[in-house]
Amino acid sequence: GNSVTQMEGPVTLSEEAFLTINCTYTATGYPSLFWYVQYPGEGLQLLLKATKADDKGSNKGFEATYRKETTSFHLEKGSVQVSDSAVYFCALYYNQGGKLIFGQGTELSVKP
Amino acid sequence: DVKVTQSSRYLVKRTGEKVFLECVQDMDHENMFWYRQDPGLGLRLIYFSYDVKMKEKGDIPEGYSVSREKKERFSLILESASTNQTSMYLCASTGYEQYFGPGTRLTVT
Repeated sequence: GNSVTQMEGPVTLSEEAFLTINCTYTATGYPSLFWYVQYPGEGLQLLLKATKADDKGSNKGFEATYRKETTSFHLEKGSVQVSDSAVYFCALYYNQGGKLIFGQGTELSVKP
Repeated sequence: DVKVTQSSRYLVKRTGEKVFLECVQDMDHENMFWYRQDPGLGLRLIYFSYDVKMKEKGDIPEGYSVSREKKERFSLILESASTNQTSMYLCASTGYEQYFGPGTRLTVT
């Protein structure tokens, strides 16, 4: 069946470090892929998305490229800030009605 | 501005109580969802609804029921709360993308 696997956290980085959070998926067909972010005490917000192979989603300095050949959608940021500390969820859209399948989430902590 | 609101941010209930969690969206979306979020497990879909009075089971419906009497409101019901239902509950609605409420942290003692 369809599934999403993220790298385990927590991930702790120093400010201005490079970030990669790995995400791979298993799906039939061609799903759309998403990264959501959850800041402390809040719900999830859409960070970026890609709807077809080789698409690159980007927002707030974060990027992710839809790689069909490796079934991956890794999240990257060149220079993280303390304010990026949050939990990041990779998700894929399948079937109908807007249902999403989420990975388990990766907690990021950025230290000054 | 898009808004999904949930009735409570924090809730403490006793085992065996009936619990209602309410969610309201102001975007006229047809599709609404209830998830629970647990550490290491991500978000798991409990129930969803495509329209008023329509509901479908998600991945973990056991111990829960839902009600959608109006388009903007989707309620999650725990008929008899148990300690293993202590969790964060997130409501969402979908238009072009999925919008989430702030969550309700439920503790069952």
